[in-house]
Order: sequence, then structure tokens, then C-alpha cells
Amino acid sequence: GAGVSQSPSNKVTEKGKDVELRCDPISGHTALYWYRQSLGQGLEFLIYFQGNSAPDKSGLPSDRFSAERTGGSVSTLTIQRTQQEDSAVYLCASSGTGGEKLFFGSGTQLSVL
Amino acid sequence: GEDVEQSLFLSVREGDSSVINCTYTDSSSTYLYWYKQEPGAGLQLLTYIFSNMDMKQDQRLTVLLNKKDKHLSLRIADTQTGDSAIYFCAESILNGQNFVFGPGTRLSVLP
Repeated sequence: GAGVSQSPSNKVTEKGKDVELRCDPISGHTALYWYRQSLGQGLEFLIYFQGNSAPDKSGLPSDRFSAERTGGSVSTLTIQRTQQEDSAVYLCASSGTGGEKLFFGSGTQLSVL
Repeated sequence: GEDVEQSLFLSVREGDSSVINCTYTDSSSTYLYWYKQEPGAGLQLLTYIFSNMDMKQDQRLTVLLNKKDKHLSLRIADTQTGDSAIYFCAESILNGQNFVFGPGTRLSVLP
């Protein structure tokens, strides 16, 4: 596609439910990142995928968070048993060969009630 | 560890120049970036500079890099109301495998 696409753009869920957030990177981009942006805060790194290598999961805040990237393209971030502190904007970004430029999607606003 | 710092707020009058400053700690940074985030949107890459450069100019934007002091600045000439946004400074190390973002500077442009 022309840019990084994320869905849904907004998600409201109840505490304790599981949610899945989707990211469709720019076609041909080998690197994919997930970040979290809490209200008024900067970006918190969550996870990084590069090609077929094992992902860098060092930023995931707890074992309730997991992510997959199927076929080297689309990625899904799953949050199990959501908590109110998970409320944030979840941003996905991708980069291509060379990796020096990150392109961001417009994010998923997650609200946990 | 890596750390990127920015002041959180800046207000300027329309037509004035804005200067947003950033400091970083990792001397092995490969590239340094400025991203712009408008309300409800993702981050948009404004400009970036390779770490062996001192300056880069792109229309109304001027980036200055002082590698010795690990200081990066973004100057916006003739600031317009459409420039109101949050500006993030970022560095990459390991040739783009690791990006570290600052907390963002909220720029308010007053009429």
C-alpha cells in the first residue's frame, strides 16, 4: 500500500478482555516496529521485527502483550486481559532497505474501561 | 543507555522563527531525526541528518547538529499556524535497528 495502515483506528474494550491490533506495513518493508504512546507522553518501544530474524521483544511491558508477524508482512499486536493502564495510542512503523527512515501509521487509540 | 531529551513546550508568534532543541547521549548515533505529530495522527518524518553532517536545510526547515555537545536543533522559519504540532527528536543507532525518541516538544503558534 501507499503507507502504513493500522486497524482499527479506535478500540474501546472492557477491562479483562483481549484485543488484537493490526498493522499493514509499506509493501516491501522488512522492518516493523510497535510503539505505545500514552497521553501526553513520548513513544515507548514495544517490539521490533526484522525479516525472518527473531523479534526483539525487549520493550513488551508484560507477558500479557505479544505480537506476531505473518509472512514477513502484516503484524498483529495482542493484549490479553486488558487493564486500564493499557489505554494508549499504539503506533506501528516500518522501514525498508537501509532502515534509516521510519514511516508511521496513524495509530490505534485503545481505551480500556 | 540511550536517552533523548527535549523541552516539552514552546510558544511563538506567527511569522517568527521557532527553534526546538534536543540533546542525546549515544555518541554512536547514525542518524538524527525530526518527526512531526499533528492531533490524532501518526508521526510524519520531517527531516533527518546523517551524523557526520553539521547542517541540513530544506525550505523553511534548518537542522543543526553539534556532535561534540550531542545537541540537535530544528529551526522553522516564518512559523505558521499549521506548524502547531508535537515535534519529536529521535536518534538511530546500529544503522536503523534501534530508534530512540525524545518526549516531544509541543509547539503552539499564536496569531
